[in-house]
Amino acid sequence: GDSVTQTEGLVTLTEGLPVMLNCTYQSTYSPFLFWYVQHLNEAPKLLLKSFTDNKRPEHQGFHATLHKSSSSFHLQKSSAQLSDSALYYCAFNTGNYKYVFGAGTRLKVIA
Amino acid sequence: GGIITQTPKFLIGQEGQKLTLKCQQNFNHDTMYWYRQDSGKGLRLIYYSITENDLQKGDLSEGYDASREKKSSFSLTVTSAQKNEMAVFLCASSSGPQDTQYFGPGTRLLVL
Repeated sequence: GDSVTQTEGLVTLTEGLPVMLNCTYQSTYSPFLFWYVQHLNEAPKLLLKSFTDNKRPEHQGFHATLHKSSSSFHLQKSSAQLSDSALYYCAFNTGNYKYVFGAGTRLKVIA
Repeated sequence: GGIITQTPKFLIGQEGQKLTLKCQQNFNHDTMYWYRQDSGKGLRLIYYSITENDLQKGDLSEGYDASREKKSSFSLTVTSAQKNEMAVFLCASSSGPQDTQYFGPGTRLLVL
């Protein structure tokens, strides 16, 4: 069935180092991919989503590239900031209104 | 812009009790969702409603009922609260498939 697998658990990084959070998916159909971010005591909100063409979505310094050959949509940022500390969810939608979310990866950025 | 409101913010119940959570959105979105958030398990879909008067079961619908009273509101009922249950319930809405979901702040449930 449809599923999303993310980097497990907690990722701790020193400020200024690059960020990479992994996301792979399993789906019968060609899905749209999303990254949502949830800061402490806030609601999840969209960080970025895949396009139908080959454009690479970017937002707040984060970017992700959809690789259909490897079923991946990894989230990257060149330099982590303290304010990036949050819970990150990868999700996809196959066009039938139903979204499938991964278990989430908690990113902690330290000084 | 718009906003999603969830009530109550905190809900403490007793084992076996029927508990109702409410969600309102003013985006004028057709589709609304209820998710359960547990640490390490991500967001699991309980129920969703594509349009007013529609109800669809998600992967975690057992033990829950839902009601789409009108386009702007979507309620979730825990039919029999389980002892020591603790979770956050998130409501979301979107204008259609593949569109951004907007989430509410959540209702935190604790069952004693």
